[in-house]
Amino acid sequence: AQTIHQWPVAEIKAVGSPLSLGCTIKGKSSPNLYWYWQATGGTLQQLFYSITVGQVESVVQLNLSASRPKDDQFILSTEKLLLSHSGFYLCAWSLGGNSNERLFFGHGTKLSVL
Amino acid sequence: GEQVEQLPSILRVQEGSSASINCSYEDSASNYFPWYKQEPGENPKLIIDIRSNMERKQIQELIVLLDKKAKRFSLHITDTQPGDSAMYFCAASDNRIFFGDGTQLVVKP
Repeated sequence: AQTIHQWPVAEIKAVGSPLSLGCTIKGKSSPNLYWYWQATGGTLQQLFYSITVGQVESVVQLNLSASRPKDDQFILSTEKLLLSHSGFYLCAWSLGGNSNERLFFGHGTKLSVL
Repeated sequence: GEQVEQLPSILRVQEGSSASINCSYEDSASNYFPWYKQEPGENPKLIIDIRSNMERKQIQELIVLLDKKAKRFSLHITDTQPGDSAMYFCAASDNRIFFGDGTQLVVKP
């Protein structure tokens, strides 16, 4: 069975500090991977997606970057956090290829920037 | 890219009544329409989906309708229960998935 693991579960960080959020997917090779951001009670905003190792597409510019160093790993990071980065970050995966399949979300990381 | 409009943003219904959420999309190439339910503090979970080769799909109390000509799709929850209270997101997908802004459903006992 496939599992998706996000870390950390929650972070409290200072403005201007760096951030790194991680996501791993086990039990599925070559998944499509996604990062979503959700403000409290807000909509799901797609940030990045990746269809293969080393290839990441940016959807929205929020002074964040993403990388896919391994087939099963997706990293979201920034060198300088802004207050507006606070929110809920969700990693998700779907089957690779061009077929449209459901998204499987991780449990998310709650980020508070102070 | 695709734009998905979802209405209403808040929906309050009495327990036992029906609830309907409506979405519209722009890209006629969209061919997959999932619905996600998100409870407070939890991640979104797929509850039902429909593909463009169908007009109607039902799973227990959940019904989704798709009108490709009008580029509209909707979720109907019959006989709502307090446990149905949550945020619901529609989405439209071709190769990328675009979400609506969500509907907060409140089912009053």
